[in-house]
Amino acid sequence: DAGVIQSPRHEVTEMGQEVTLRCKPISGHNSLFWYRQTMMRGLELLIYFNNNVPIDDSGMPEDRFSAKMPNASFSTLKIQPSEPRDSAVYFCASRSTGYTFGSGTRLTVV
Amino acid sequence: EDQVTQSPEALRLQEGESSSLNCSYTVSGLRGLFWYRQDPGKGPEFLFTLYSAGEEKEKERLKATLTKKESFLHITAPKPEDSATYLCAVQEYSGGGADGLTFGKGTHLIIQP
Repeated sequence: DAGVIQSPRHEVTEMGQEVTLRCKPISGHNSLFWYRQTMMRGLELLIYFNNNVPIDDSGMPEDRFSAKMPNASFSTLKIQPSEPRDSAVYFCASRSTGYTFGSGTRLTVV
Repeated sequence: EDQVTQSPEALRLQEGESSSLNCSYTVSGLRGLFWYRQDPGKGPEFLFTLYSAGEEKEKERLKATLTKKESFLHITAPKPEDSATYLCAVQEYSGGGADGLTFGKGTHLIIQP
């Protein structure tokens, strides 16, 4: 079991550019979560899916953020256009009985 | 108002010096309380889930306990490899089917040899 796989591990982009973060959940896990972690706010839930369907996106900060889960083995979190305040570590987690987190994507917007 | 508050924010202990980390929570219906360990540059790693007041779980030098208002993570005779940030999270019952975890900001623990 390779665990939850996120890519890229690090992303540096210029303000205004589009950023796409990717996640492959653990096979058989039917729920997927996107979190953002900053020093100031800690870990915050952005959006989650059950059986590939978005259930709660109330944590998505702005319309610049969007997430998709086209199938059970892949999800994306897109920021367009990116801003410096989006700089954070973004985690994906999947769940069957317990929650398993990926290693995260460290995003820096300059 | 934060739903999950952890204290202290940071704690420095000598190797072998036992202590406890606190997690207080305010939710209308607790479905589960989770403890995670996070090492620098890594994602949170699951430690325990507690479901009802009075429940206790142990793993090596760690023991987690739960009351109706708070949880404690007791660390007995810690070693330097126990140094990490310890995160507490709650999952609450919600008619809307909310399933995500709400995290505290964590306790940064340093164990000095």
